[in-house]
Amino acid sequence: AQSVTQLDSHVSVSEGTPVLLRCNYSSSYSPSLFWYVQHPNKGLQLLLKYTSAATLVKGINGFEAEFKKSETSFHLTKPSAHMSDAAEYFCVVSGTGRRALTFGSGTRLQVQP
Amino acid sequence: NAGVTQTPKFRILKIGQSMTLQCTQDMNHNYMYWYRQDPGMGLKLIYYSVGAGITDKGEVPNGYNVSRSTTEDFPLRLELAAPSQTSVYFCASSRVTGDSSGRTGEQYFGPGTRLTVT
Repeated sequence: AQSVTQLDSHVSVSEGTPVLLRCNYSSSYSPSLFWYVQHPNKGLQLLLKYTSAATLVKGINGFEAEFKKSETSFHLTKPSAHMSDAAEYFCVVSGTGRRALTFGSGTRLQVQP
Repeated sequence: NAGVTQTPKFRILKIGQSMTLQCTQDMNHNYMYWYRQDPGMGLKLIYYSVGAGITDKGEVPNGYNVSRSTTEDFPLRLELAAPSQTSVYFCASSRVTGDSSGRTGEQYFGPGTRLTVT
């Protein structure tokens, strides 16, 4: 079985300051991990993915995430927030079996001017 | 490439009515999925399919049915709609990673269907 926990339901930052969205996962085998972003009333867009290659993964729009097996974490970061980053972010784990993804409950990122 | 398309975008149903949510993908993906997203929650898997003619239940299948007669299409059927089915429904597709693990690759999502049952 696999699961994912997003440690903050809501994060608020000022424009130009760093972003940290935290995610811990649980999996009985080596997982694939993803971050998706969902802007209001839109579908989900893939930000980045980890599939057992490099542990530091770079994604779109300046986001990156680091896979830490010892901490079972996959936190999402960005050096400088932009107003357009305001959205809901989902950490997702994938495994074999049902060929499906397990979603975290989401973190809403608010960016203040 | 249109990617994953869903129709309709919005729908209001009365309790007990039926409807079909349409989903089509043009990426030749074998795997397709239906999720629902309730307010303030993550997505929950309703049904999935690993190829034409093959479907299986996900986490929350009750009250829904699916079919997969072609690679491209994966419609979701609601029979006897209930208020608990008020949600946003997302269709997605993916391919296997291609490595020996058989893990799912990233999924591509449609824009969603917002359904209200009153």
